[in-house]
Amino acid sequence: LAKTTQPISMDSYEGQEVNITCSHNNIATNDYITWYQQFPSQGPRFIIQGYKTKVTNEVASLFIPADRKSSTLSLPRVSLSDTAVYYCLVGDGDGGSQGNLIFGKGTKLSVKP
Amino acid sequence: KAGVTQTPRYLIKTRGQQVTLSCSPISGHRSVSWYQQTPGQGLQFLFEYFSETQRNKGNFPGRFSGRQFSNSRSEMNVSTLELGDSALYLCASSLVGGFGYEQYFGPGTRLTVT
Repeated sequence: LAKTTQPISMDSYEGQEVNITCSHNNIATNDYITWYQQFPSQGPRFIIQGYKTKVTNEVASLFIPADRKSSTLSLPRVSLSDTAVYYCLVGDGDGGSQGNLIFGKGTKLSVKP
Repeated sequence: KAGVTQTPRYLIKTRGQQVTLSCSPISGHRSVSWYQQTPGQGLQFLFEYFSETQRNKGNFPGRFSGRQFSNSRSEMNVSTLELGDSALYLCASSLVGGFGYEQYFGPGTRLTVT
């Protein structure tokens, strides 16, 4: 699976937009990009997944440039409850034996009032 | 629908003992994966079961084993516990497994080895 690099930590204030960028220079043609969120002492929770361009859901947006060597998770108007660790993962979108989730260190986002 | 459930939520064991953790996936999900999370190593993949067969395995010693039953429920066993096995053990289920399919995580079992 492609290795990912993301900032260890980020600080923000309530109401701001937060953008977390992830680098994945060795991404393969079949790889998808997925982001998970984890609160302390809980299991990770799926946020969003994309392959190219832009994906948006009710929680976040995911921007992927044409070369797909990086991606940016955008959280609009964060609140204190968005304080969590955010993981960027890259892997083969097909099912079966390609599918392990390889978690990096993640980005610890701290939202302040 | 009900989420992934894990039992027990907390467990304290002594070095040398063995432990069995249980995971009930979301109804209809056939893939169950297990992960270990520690402050030092982060989230690490243990193994995945699909239709009662181990399909993928991470880089853990043979003391860590698992199985899946016909109803997709899964158990994980750790024998000869070591202090370093203290961790949060997470179970995740998905429809068919694989990176492209969303995985739903349970709340985890916090294992403390003394």
